[in-house]
Amino acid sequence: QQQVKQSPQSLIVQKGGIPIINCAYENTAFDYFPWYQQFPGKGPALLIAIRPDVSEKKEGRFTISFNKSAKQFSLHIMDSQPGDSATYFCAASRAQAAGNKLTFGGGTRVLVKP
Amino acid sequence: DAGVTQSPTHLIKTRGQQVTLRCSPKSGHDTVSWYQQALGQGPQFIFQYYEEEERQRGNFPDRFSGHQFPNYSSELNVNALLLGDSALYLCASHRESYGYTFGSGTRLTVV
Repeated sequence: QQQVKQSPQSLIVQKGGIPIINCAYENTAFDYFPWYQQFPGKGPALLIAIRPDVSEKKEGRFTISFNKSAKQFSLHIMDSQPGDSATYFCAASRAQAAGNKLTFGGGTRVLVKP
Repeated sequence: DAGVTQSPTHLIKTRGQQVTLRCSPKSGHDTVSWYQQALGQGPQFIFQYYEEEERQRGNFPDRFSGHQFPNYSSELNVNALLLGDSALYLCASHRESYGYTFGSGTRLTVV
């Protein structure tokens, strides 16, 4: 059962554009929503994370928007650069539960053209 | 400070063989989780170890087993390898509920 659905599968933008990646979850017990960036041959690296008690969080050029009632959250990459070209994964977990596994979305390949 | 270290980086095995992958967690982390990432997909949770015991398990067959040592390092064992086991195996460590740190993974190819 896929509990976190991510879209689109791939995205191409020009430098300076704003890629937007969307995720939807089913399990209302999830209370921690991180985004990971993965380059080829590397493991995922944490970019930014949000808890459901806030609707938006910004860290540098990365912004998460969170809609608890719709069970959706999204990642915006402001002023995107070619170095941002990577695969991005959303994830969700029950942070307060023991054995708090991460459930990942299917990933979005982002290409930023110079 | 070294992050999560995994070995080996690449491995080629034949169907039916057994494989052991190793993981050293980030300093200060006491919990280790293993994930399988098939090509073009998101990581799938295999199991998690805490205090040398399997605390939670994902939807993987018993061919997948693990171990955590007193120094918090961990091993993932896969028996009777199938072609479908070919994937990137990721180890992640953390302490308490947040701050997962992933290693670069072991690329396993089963031929």
